[in-house]
Amino acid sequence: NAGVTQTPKFRVLKTGQSMTLLCAQDMNHEYMYWYRQDPGMGLRLIHYSVGEGTTAKGEVPDGYNVSRLKKQNFLLGLESAAPSQTSVYFCASRRGRNTEAFFGQGTRLTVV
Amino acid sequence: GQQVMQIPQYQHVQEGEDFTTYCNSSTTLSNIQWYKQRPGGHPVFLIQLVKSGEVKKQKRLTFQFGEAKKNSSLHITATQTTDVGTYFCAGHNTNAGKSTFGDGTTLTVKP
Repeated sequence: NAGVTQTPKFRVLKTGQSMTLLCAQDMNHEYMYWYRQDPGMGLRLIHYSVGEGTTAKGEVPDGYNVSRLKKQNFLLGLESAAPSQTSVYFCASRRGRNTEAFFGQGTRLTVV
Repeated sequence: GQQVMQIPQYQHVQEGEDFTTYCNSSTTLSNIQWYKQRPGGHPVFLIQLVKSGEVKKQKRLTFQFGEAKKNSSLHITATQTTDVGTYFCAGHNTNAGKSTFGDGTTLTVKP
């Protein structure tokens, strides 16, 4: 089992460019999450999904969109990247509401 | 909304000293989870506490959940260099499908 796989691992974008981060899990988990991690600010929830075809906003959703067309995949989109979106992005998944979260390796995104 | 505060933000210890990080929630939690993130790595699940007043141990690590289910602590006895990293608590409310993470405590251990 690969667990939770994020692609790409690194990316540099110019301001105004768009991109999609892919998260794939092979554990048949219902719940999937996207977080961003900035120095000294812990993990902040961007968007999450409680099942295939569902999405919901987290703490910091502005500037991001998500889709969960397939249960195993959760996509995070940046339509027009801004320097403030420079961060490390983590995807996570859980089997159920009260179970442990499994994190991907992270995507380091720099917007210049 | 739910807020989870974690203190201290940083802790520097000499190898062999003890370490404690504290987590406080603004609301009553259904459970709390603890994660460890090594430098350059991703968060990895350590443990989950569910019951009021629960205490769990993993070798040198002791986890406690408060009686009111609003606070928790992680205590490491006799730290080792392998303990370095950032420790996060994550408070969970059953009615929501998501957790709220604290900002983490970063532990450095001097040999």
